[in-house]
Amino acid sequence: GESVGLHLPTLSVQEGDNSIINCAYSNSASDYFIWYKQESGKGPQFIIDIRSNMDKRQGQRVTVLLNKTVKHLSLQIAATQPGDSAVYFCAERGTGGFKTIFGAGTRLFVKA
Amino acid sequence: GAVVSQHPSRVICKSGTSVKIECRSLDFQATTMFWYRQFPKQSLMLMATSNEGSKATYEQGVEKDKFLINHASLTLSTLTVTSAHPEDSSFYICSASSGTGDNYGYTFGSGTRLTVV
Repeated sequence: GESVGLHLPTLSVQEGDNSIINCAYSNSASDYFIWYKQESGKGPQFIIDIRSNMDKRQGQRVTVLLNKTVKHLSLQIAATQPGDSAVYFCAERGTGGFKTIFGAGTRLFVKA
Repeated sequence: GAVVSQHPSRVICKSGTSVKIECRSLDFQATTMFWYRQFPKQSLMLMATSNEGSKATYEQGVEKDKFLINHASLTLSTLTVTSAHPEDSSFYICSASSGTGDNYGYTFGSGTRLTVV
């Protein structure tokens, strides 16, 4: 069935460095992708999204890259801060659908 | 921005009893809400789509008679875990959309930690 997965379950970075979190998706019909941040005991928090007709989108300190050819998403966090420590999920929605399907998640540790 | 409130945040119940979790959209109306379950160190798994005024749509493998969903108004959906067992212990999260803004206004509740003893 369709799935969205991640390459790295855990990522540890030094404070101030850039972080890159990767995600692979399998449903080529998906046309909308989202990155969420989840802190312990809380619901997911929207970070940034991208439509399938784009290959890059930038936000404040974050950038999402989409490579449809290889069905790959990445989230780049610039100048990673301790407050960025959390689990990050990529998610997808299909054409005309509203269901959000989540990937496996990557835990980001930021070392001071 | 859109706010989704979940209640309770934590609940402990005895095996065999039922537990109701509420999901409210506080400042917008939501014809559709979604219920997710998340086991420790795992991802969010979609359980069902809650539709105002009609039956919920359940994902494959989710027992509709065990996880009762009621969406009686445009601002409230409830999930009732019936005859709960220890394996139902999990983090339950709802989401709703206001339809506007980033991410089409999809917002998640803060989750409910259910522990069945």
